[in-house]
Amino acid sequence: DADVTQTPRNRITKTGKRIMLECSQTKGHDRMYWYRQDPGLGLRLIYYSFDVKDINKGEISDGYSVSRQAQAKFSLSLESAIPNQTALYFCATSGLWPVGSPLHFGNGTRLTVT
Amino acid sequence: SQQGEEDPQALSIQEGENATMNCSYKTSINNLQWYRQNSGRGLVHLILIRSNEREKHSGRLRVTLDTSKKSSSLLITASRAADTASYFCATDRETSGSRLTFGEGTQLTVNP
Repeated sequence: DADVTQTPRNRITKTGKRIMLECSQTKGHDRMYWYRQDPGLGLRLIYYSFDVKDINKGEISDGYSVSRQAQAKFSLSLESAIPNQTALYFCATSGLWPVGSPLHFGNGTRLTVT
Repeated sequence: SQQGEEDPQALSIQEGENATMNCSYKTSINNLQWYRQNSGRGLVHLILIRSNEREKHSGRLRVTLDTSKKSSSLLITASRAADTASYFCATDRETSGSRLTFGEGTQLTVNP
């Protein structure tokens, strides 16, 4: 079983719809992240959470919200989807120690907004 | 703006050749990491080099870091077709609070 699981793997939705992308992890990590990947732009950080009560905006949080329901679960919502939110979305986790621990990624959710 | 800029954007080589990818960054860092991404899949961590280190090895991978030039390179020796992937550098900036900033990646193609 994957350590970081994202659902759904693919999603097509219409402009204006609210959708939620889910992430769960079995690594026991406190830190969780949502990234967006667009061709030619690398990965950009949307939101991150260092523990259940900690939520922080990343570079591109406008139009997104998150919820950290438990240490193992971190969901990303698009309140009213728009076509330029079409992208590949990744959830990642990392441990607290050692400092600079690497990220562990899920396999992504490919979102298309029509 | 992206902290890391990678060069080249795309690289095509023959099996057995070495592949070198470069990453430049703008601000002081705690560490720099390299990741690999197979098409459409999640990124996988390859190697981490801290700001006080100059070179690290892991199997066929060699990473160098020059903090005076704010640059790093990833060398894959004796490449294989299975090394075909995108490679990303990511920097943990001193002011970032342990958030990584990714470059745009180098697409490596290793031809059999």
